[in-house]
Amino acid sequence: TQLLEQSPQFLSIQEGENLTVYCNSSSVFSSLQWYRQEPGEGPVLLVTVVTGGEVKKLKRLTFQFGDARKDSSLHITAAQPGDTGLYLCAAHFSGNTPLVFGKGTRLSVIA
Amino acid sequence: ETGVTQTPRHLVMGMTNKKSLKCEQHLGHNAMYWYKQSAKKPLELMFVYSLEERVENNSVPSRFSPECPNSSHLFLHLHTLQPEDSALYLCASSRTGGDTQYFGPGTRLTVL
Repeated sequence: TQLLEQSPQFLSIQEGENLTVYCNSSSVFSSLQWYRQEPGEGPVLLVTVVTGGEVKKLKRLTFQFGDARKDSSLHITAAQPGDTGLYLCAAHFSGNTPLVFGKGTRLSVIA
Repeated sequence: ETGVTQTPRHLVMGMTNKKSLKCEQHLGHNAMYWYKQSAKKPLELMFVYSLEERVENNSVPSRFSPECPNSSHLFLHLHTLQPEDSALYLCASSRTGGDTQYFGPGTRLTVL
């Protein structure tokens, strides 16, 4: 069974702080997505990464895909209350296999 | 405008009721999915349809019955559910089976 481990499970920080959340597996991903989910809503896609070592930026969010394609991180600079939500990573372990989700990191940014 | 819509957004039903969840995608995608999201568990894939054919059924109890009449619409028919089936049911679509998935807002189901 291929699993995705996300850490930390919960994170509560003050507005303006920086943070990093992680997504790891013992198996190689063919691609990985990060989603953010707000209460009562479906996950919203933030980014897809496919190349080992790839770094993508989305405003204050920086996504990194590990060189070995077994891990990824999401770094948020100067967090804002609007960043509050559940951050999910999801991976394809080979081309057409079902998407596997982690349990998520629940982030709370306090004003 | 969202590309994937789901109705109803909230549903409360008794264990003997029959109800259906509806999903519609406006993205021109060929694959559609049903997921179950319960507290403290990862999203659980229930069913996958590709070009209107079911290609995945992850040991889901028969009280859940999917239907995909065309590539834009997906239904989940519910019958004789149990309280532990209470969860957020999410629909998603993708261009093909291995592509990035886009989610609807979900239906919050409560079984009494």
